Amino acid sequence: RKEVEQDPGPFNVPEGATVAFNCTYSNSASQSFFWYRQDCRKEPKLLMSVYSSGNEDGRFTAQLNRASQYISLLIRDSKLSDSATYLCVVTGGYNKLIFGAGTRLAVHP
Amino acid sequence: DAGVIQSPRHEVTEMGQEVTLRCKPISGHNSLFWYRQTMMRGLELLIYFNNNVPIDDSGMPEDRFSAKMPNASFSTLKIQPSEPRDSAVYFCASSLTGSYNEQFFGPGTRLTVL
Repeated sequence: RKEVEQDPGPFNVPEGATVAFNCTYSNSASQSFFWYRQDCRKEPKLLMSVYSSGNEDGRFTAQLNRASQYISLLIRDSKLSDSATYLCVVTGGYNKLIFGAGTRLAVHP
Repeated sequence: DAGVIQSPRHEVTEMGQEVTLRCKPISGHNSLFWYRQTMMRGLELLIYFNNNVPIDDSGMPEDRFSAKMPNASFSTLKIQPSEPRDSAVYFCASSLTGSYNEQFFGPGTRLTVL
């Protein structure tokens, strides 16, 4: 079983739609959680950290459920520029980040 | 400010050749990470340095791979001899005080081994 599992997609949505991505992780000892964004043929970049209480950054909302070892990302009012791969990331062991394989989002006009 | 710098951006080589990838982390960052990304395996951590010292190299696939960090501003990842299955995008990332803080990735080196 992979340490971080994500639906690879692609999610094809129209502009303005709301879309949600889910992620599960296997290491119950993981302490920190993140969503990274990766554009085609580019490097990953931090989108947002995920806190136990849930957190919001503009159109993006991240949620964490430690009991179920589940992380989610909600994007409201999708823009064409949101098209990318979204990587779920958890800490694993000493100072290591474990990346999921990513969920691909395609927003169309 | 300059981000993480990697060179070369693209490398095409033949099986059996030595390949050296280079990375300059963001000035002031004390942690450096080498990752490999492929379609099949996603993004994998190869090795992690803290204050120029290798902390975890459990992700290094085999003895053909080696990494060094002679000073705070430079690191290399060497593959000798290279094989076609080493073809991937190799990313270097740096952060301050370890991976609980944001890691900043370089643009990557796209390696093709023929």
